[in-house]
Amino acid sequence: SQELEQSPQSLIVQEGKNLTINCTSSKTLYGLYWYKQKYGEGLIFLMMLQKGGEEKSHEKITAKLDEKKQQSSLHITASQPSHAGIYLCGADFWDSNYQLIWGAGTKLIIKP
Amino acid sequence: KAGVTQTPRYLIKTRGQQVTLSCSPISGHRSVSWYQQTPGQGLQFLFEYFSETQRNKGNFPGRFSGRQFSNSRSEMNVSTLELGDSALYLCASSSGQGQETQYFGPGTRLLVL
Repeated sequence: SQELEQSPQSLIVQEGKNLTINCTSSKTLYGLYWYKQKYGEGLIFLMMLQKGGEEKSHEKITAKLDEKKQQSSLHITASQPSHAGIYLCGADFWDSNYQLIWGAGTKLIIKP
Repeated sequence: KAGVTQTPRYLIKTRGQQVTLSCSPISGHRSVSWYQQTPGQGLQFLFEYFSETQRNKGNFPGRFSGRQFSNSRSEMNVSTLELGDSALYLCASSSGQGQETQYFGPGTRLLVL
């Protein structure tokens, strides 16, 4: 079962516009990762969040983890064609052992 | 530092065959994890190796196995291939100490006919 819900599943945005992708869990997240993937290629690390309320930025991408550590958002400002791809959130879970669980991904298309 | 490398990049096999994929982690990294990515199931965790031992395992059948060598390079083997095994197989490496970022390779795309 999917323990990380990502929304939206896909997104078409006009170049220059802002956008937000969300990642939600029913359990407390011990670590939340954002990755970007170009179709059929490996994953590129974007950011990692660990503390409730934490916010990190890199160039035009900002990621936040809420205080309860159950929801994270990825915000892109003034989107560019280079932002196109699939964005995946992953999170550390502890059950009987440790696992890194993934969201289903958000496919982002930038319209010129 | 060189990144994570995976070989081969593309592979075509037929049902019933077996396949071995290879992953070379970033120098100094001792943990290698394997993932299967399909359009329908997304990214799913297969297993993790650390210091030549399987440390964690996902919910995949026994046809999927792996190993890690003393130089931290890892191989994944799938026996008796099924059509549903067609996927992008990604490996990721990390130092293996605590909670940290994993660095992914470019993946091996496997097509089973």
